[in-house]
Amino acid sequence: QVQLVESGGGVVQPGRSLRLSCAASGFIFLTYDMHWVRQAPGKGLEWVAGISYDGSNEYYADSVKGRFTISRDNSRHTLYLQMNSLRAEDTAVYHCAKGWVVTATARFDYWGHGTLVTVSS
Amino acid sequence: QSVLTQPPSVSAAPGQKVTISCSGNNSNIGDNYVSWYQQFPGIAPKLLIYDNNKRPSGIPDRFSGSKSGTSATLGITGLQTGDEADYYCGTWDSSLSAVVFGGGTKLTVL
Repeated sequence: QVQLVESGGGVVQPGRSLRLSCAASGFIFLTYDMHWVRQAPGKGLEWVAGISYDGSNEYYADSVKGRFTISRDNSRHTLYLQMNSLRAEDTAVYHCAKGWVVTATARFDYWGHGTLVTVSS
Repeated sequence: QSVLTQPPSVSAAPGQKVTISCSGNNSNIGDNYVSWYQQFPGIAPKLLIYDNNKRPSGIPDRFSGSKSGTSATLGITGLQTGDEADYYCGTWDSSLSAVVFGGGTKLTVL
């Protein structure tokens, strides 16, 4: 069965960096786009970034553009999110989500449980 | 402020039908497929509808989706107390080159 397991969250000071990982299994990882979606405490879903199946294209929300970098290692079936210059408003649960073979879609059929990132001094 | 607009809350009695609206523009809903998600507190979202009106395997036919122009609608019939959750619409925005979500709608089954 499909599994997405995030790791790397924690408490970090404003301005510092953190790298999230998402280990994928149960599907042909290199076939699908992958995404990160976050949810601040008590708030709605916010898409953060997406990457094409082969890593050749990356897409970002304006709120993280220039600070976050999404990447993937298809040989390790792992998705990453490098987060730099973190701000208090980046505090959220970060979910990785399996996309589709087409980039221009919000069709995320599997989600990880998420990893909590808290940005606080 | 979300790019897609949903009502903050809707409510209906058990057994009744409810609809949740999602409004966008020509760059997002008007140009791309819409998906809908169900989320219970503390749990990851679950895909309910994709490509405007298709249900993934395992999703009961009580859940339906439709799209017209720059708006989409999620319908739920035969409401059950277990349907109480937050519901989100999402789509691709061709101008932003980004996925956009609605702000979410809390469904209460009275």
